[in-house]
Amino acid sequence: AQRVTQPEKLLSVFKGAPVELKCNYSYSGSPELFWYVQYSRQRLQLLLRHISRESIKGFTADLNKGETSFHLKKPFAQEEDSAMYYCALLNQGAQKLVFGQGTRLTINP
Amino acid sequence: DTEVTQTPKHLVMGMTNKKSLKCEQHMGHRAMYWYKQKAKKPPELMFVYSYEKLSINESVPSRFSPECPNSSLLNLHLHALQPEDSALYLCASSAGQTSSYEQYFGPGTRLTVT
Repeated sequence: AQRVTQPEKLLSVFKGAPVELKCNYSYSGSPELFWYVQYSRQRLQLLLRHISRESIKGFTADLNKGETSFHLKKPFAQEEDSAMYYCALLNQGAQKLVFGQGTRLTINP
Repeated sequence: DTEVTQTPKHLVMGMTNKKSLKCEQHMGHRAMYWYKQKAKKPPELMFVYSYEKLSINESVPSRFSPECPNSSLLNLHLHALQPEDSALYLCASSAGQTSSYEQYFGPGTRLTVT
């Protein structure tokens, strides 16, 4: 069965420090993975997807099939990065997104 | 217009009431979704409509009844709900029902069942 695990419910780092939000997945097929973000009082929105191999707002995420991971990284955290982050896996057979439990990131000044 | 809108923002209903949630998008998207999100939990998929036809029902109780009257509108009809159905109900849309397409989420309707 497909599963997405985000081991940290809460993560707190200082402004300017590197940040890494962990995501591990379990999926028998070829995975498609996403990071969604929800800023305070805003709607859930796509941050990035692994097939795009892009950097959004300084964040990157690399799919590591050997470690079944898709960790989200940013070298220098900004206060505006404080938000709830969800890692999500596309179940291609069922064509639906499966979300992890989420990590609340707080950037301290 | 690049937003998904949802009405109402908040809804309080009794267990014997009948109410409806409404979702609208004018981006020409052909897939629309209903999610349920409990506090401090991730969204859970309930229904998917693709080209105005129901394509996924995640074994949702029949007290929730989705409807897609046209390609821009998605309704969720509620009847005889239970207090445990209290949650944030999110609507989303995407250009199609495949991984190529980003899902755009609405702000949600916060439902309280008393």
